[in-house]
This record gives sequence, structure tokens and C-alpha cells, in this order.
Amino acid sequence: DIQMTQSPSSVSAFVGDRVSITCRASQDINKWLAWYQQKPGKAPKLLMHSASNLQSGVPPRFSGTGSGTEFTLTINSLQPEDFAIYFCQQARSFPLTFGQGTRLDIK
Amino acid sequence: QVQLVQSGAEVKRPGSSVKVSCKASGGEASGDSFSSQTFIWVRQAPGQGPEWMGRIIPILGITDSVDRLQGRVTISADKSTSTVFMELTGLTYEDTAVYYCAIYSGFLYASDIWGQGTTVTVSS
Repeated sequence: DIQMTQSPSSVSAFVGDRVSITCRASQDINKWLAWYQQKPGKAPKLLMHSASNLQSGVPPRFSGTGSGTEFTLTINSLQPEDFAIYFCQQARSFPLTFGQGTRLDIK
Repeated sequence: QVQLVQSGAEVKRPGSSVKVSCKASGGEASGDSFSSQTFIWVRQAPGQGPEWMGRIIPILGITDSVDRLQGRVTISADKSTSTVFMELTGLTYEDTAVYYCAIYSGFLYASDIWGQGTTVTVSS
């Protein structure tokens, strides 16, 4: 199975800041990476697919880069509604596997 | 737009089984459109990242599941009601989690439609 490792596990930031989250795959997954946002008591929400493609309806302050084994999700100009947990998920092969999550807290 | 509605919360004893349902409605949620989707099941233990459990493609009759759950998890579908099911047997305390169904898009290589989640608590 492909292992996904996220860093940091948690980060605190102010409204208006820029934050980046990294996800590393244990093997080459090309561009087959998705990012999700999850708020308490809710299902994950798809933000980004194929590493850098913004899902319909997601604000453009979210962006994704990377390919192969290293990927980054960047959130520009943090808004209050962005404070949540973020997960990456590889789609190179089944079983699909997720990172352990990055908690983004308001400072 | 398709919506996925899951069955309600369950409390189960260790060693018992649970069966969670996930009904698709709206949009292209019936008949061949339902059957051609890939439905996945994901669970999330308290404070943990999501864990993919398995998938079903009703039109192809394909199901598979993660190795460490094989023998305990059964994923099935009822095309007549546009509902997929996940049954987990031999429950242990470690199976306490929120269980989600979702549609996996082969175009997006991701899941853009999720059920609301079903909390399964294993407790004596």
C-alpha cells in the first residue's frame, strides 16, 4: 500500500496569513493526489484533484502543486471558514490511502 | 446532483455485526447511472485520518476491500433501491468510528460526493 505522510500535523495562523501543507507519498503517484477539507462532524469536502485542479466551487485562494512523491496545498489570505483539518489522498492505486491530517487552527 | 443518505447511528457489542446503508438519490442516481458509479466506504476513528475500506461497482459486480479487513467486511448493492451496503462482522472496540460512503469519480480520481456519515460505537 502507498503510505501518505503529511506535515505539519498542526499549524496555527492568523486570518489573512498564507499557509502551506505538505504531503509525501511513499512511492511515485504521478499527479494522482486529492486534497480534502474536513470540519467537525462533517464529511470530507473535496478541494483539489489531480494535484493542482481546483474543484468546482472552491475559492481560488486554494492552490495545489507537486507531482511524483511531494505535494503542497497552499491557502492564501486565510479566511475564518478555512480553519479545519486537511487531508491528502492518493489515487494512483487501490487501496486509496489518506494522510493523517493537518489541523489548521486560528491564532 | 446526487445525494447520499446513510442509515443512523449504531451501538454494537463486541463480536457482533453492523450493516450500514447508503441510499443514492437525485441527479443520475437510479438505474444504469447508479450501477455505473464506483461507491467507496471510508471510516474514520476518533482523531484519526480516514481509512479506505473498500469499493463496489454495481454494474461490473466488482467489489474489493482493504487486506486487513478482508473476511470481515462485505460491500453490496441493491440496484432496485439505488442503495449500497457495508456490513462489518466480528466487531471490536477498534471498529468504533464514523463510517462514510462516497462516490469515487474516475474522472476526478477523487470523491466529490459523500454521505453524512454513520457513527458506529462498539461498547460492552
